[in-house]
Amino acid sequence: GAGVSQTPSNKVTEKGKYVELRCDPISGHTALYWYRQSLGQGPEFLIYFQGTGAADDSGLPNDRFFAVRPEGSVSTLKIQRTERGDSAVYLCASSLIGGTSEQFFGPGTRLTVL
Amino acid sequence: GQSLEQPSEVTAVEGAIVQINCTYQTSGFYGLSWYQQHDGGAPTFLSYNALDGLEETGRFSSFLSRSDSYGYLLLQELQMKDSASYFCAVSLTGYSTLTFGKGTMLLVSP
Repeated sequence: GAGVSQTPSNKVTEKGKYVELRCDPISGHTALYWYRQSLGQGPEFLIYFQGTGAADDSGLPNDRFFAVRPEGSVSTLKIQRTERGDSAVYLCASSLIGGTSEQFFGPGTRLTVL
Repeated sequence: GQSLEQPSEVTAVEGAIVQINCTYQTSGFYGLSWYQQHDGGAPTFLSYNALDGLEETGRFSSFLSRSDSYGYLLLQELQMKDSASYFCAVSLTGYSTLTFGKGTMLLVSP
């Protein structure tokens, strides 16, 4: 079956611009996670959705970052007024239910802020 | 804060056995996971330990000692395709948001 997909695969933007990153989880997976990964580092947790609601958004670095999952499937991570420090690979993962450590990751979106 | 320590790099030859250690200091703990990530690829789940002891899955085994805040991933019969980064990750809560270490790059040579 299809895995987690993310679009776009690459995004280059200018400082101060707004970007949206999309994640399509595995069909039927109720839990969805966003992470970001900088070069040479492990993934860093951003936000966790259980169904449509954000169950834990403690990893969002500031109020420029926001994510939605309106129908409990596709999720969009939104970044306002991008900064050069936001450059990273943004990873999405899903799992059948919350509370399992077996998360299925997508290939990521590489965001570059010039 | 949360802290996970693992070696930055390990080298080995094909057919050998290698152990990648992970020590952690975290405010909560539900379990320890291991993920593999090839260069430019997505992390893929390898194993999970919630209780002390050894879990074996084919050529890979993972161990946990909760009292020592320590775990390791053991890879046997190494193959060239095992060259990748390996991350330990702690589940701090029951819903398994993961806190990852910085990763160990494993280089397998012929």
